[in-house]
Amino acid sequence: DTGVSQNPRHKITKRGQNVTFRCDPISEHNRLYWYRQTLGQGPEFLTYFQNEAQLEKSRLLSDRFSAERPKGSFSTLEIQRTEQGDSAMYLCASRQGQALPFFGQGTRLTVV
Amino acid sequence: GNSVTQMEGPVTLSEEAFLTINCTYTATGYPSLFWYVQYPGEGLQLLLKATKADDKGSNKGFEATYRKETTSFHLEKGSVQVSDSAVYFCALSDRDGGSNYKLTFGKGTLLTVNP
Repeated sequence: DTGVSQNPRHKITKRGQNVTFRCDPISEHNRLYWYRQTLGQGPEFLTYFQNEAQLEKSRLLSDRFSAERPKGSFSTLEIQRTEQGDSAMYLCASRQGQALPFFGQGTRLTVV
Repeated sequence: GNSVTQMEGPVTLSEEAFLTINCTYTATGYPSLFWYVQYPGEGLQLLLKATKADDKGSNKGFEATYRKETTSFHLEKGSVQVSDSAVYFCALSDRDGGSNYKLTFGKGTLLTVNP
């Protein structure tokens, strides 16, 4: 494993559909983050896991968004009833201890 | 709350020109500061960092100095190359060691270097 892996890389969905993204962190990294990056903006923090526990959620994470990290390994981010405003790049990052986080290549979501 | 303001782009330079991208921040406490780079189609990569006042981060010819008195962390490079074309993000994190290390990013600056 050479890095943080995110799948799919690209997703096009119709408004109102549900989508799920997956993030596989670097092995043994106990901390995992999700960020959202809209066009022309920097990434914005969404949520953070330490092992399987979700320790912080941004107010950007509406009720339509849910993230899980079962068993403290991979994580999923689900968006229900997608809206056009959800179109963005969704970035995952992982880290171990006090080291700096490594970012994945992101999943680009387009809602049409 | 924390915030980062960086120079709006896009920035277009000729090869071997001098680069400066300005970045200022607002933070509670004493943050760590970073520059990240994003090449087309790729994820974020850490370019350099500084964790305390007057520290200079450097990498691949890029430099930035943590200026607490002006709350700034400007990115500079003396001679840019075509391969430096990318989006550059200034960022900060809370520097309390045991925190969740949440990053706050600026909006990004697109740099295009022409041959």
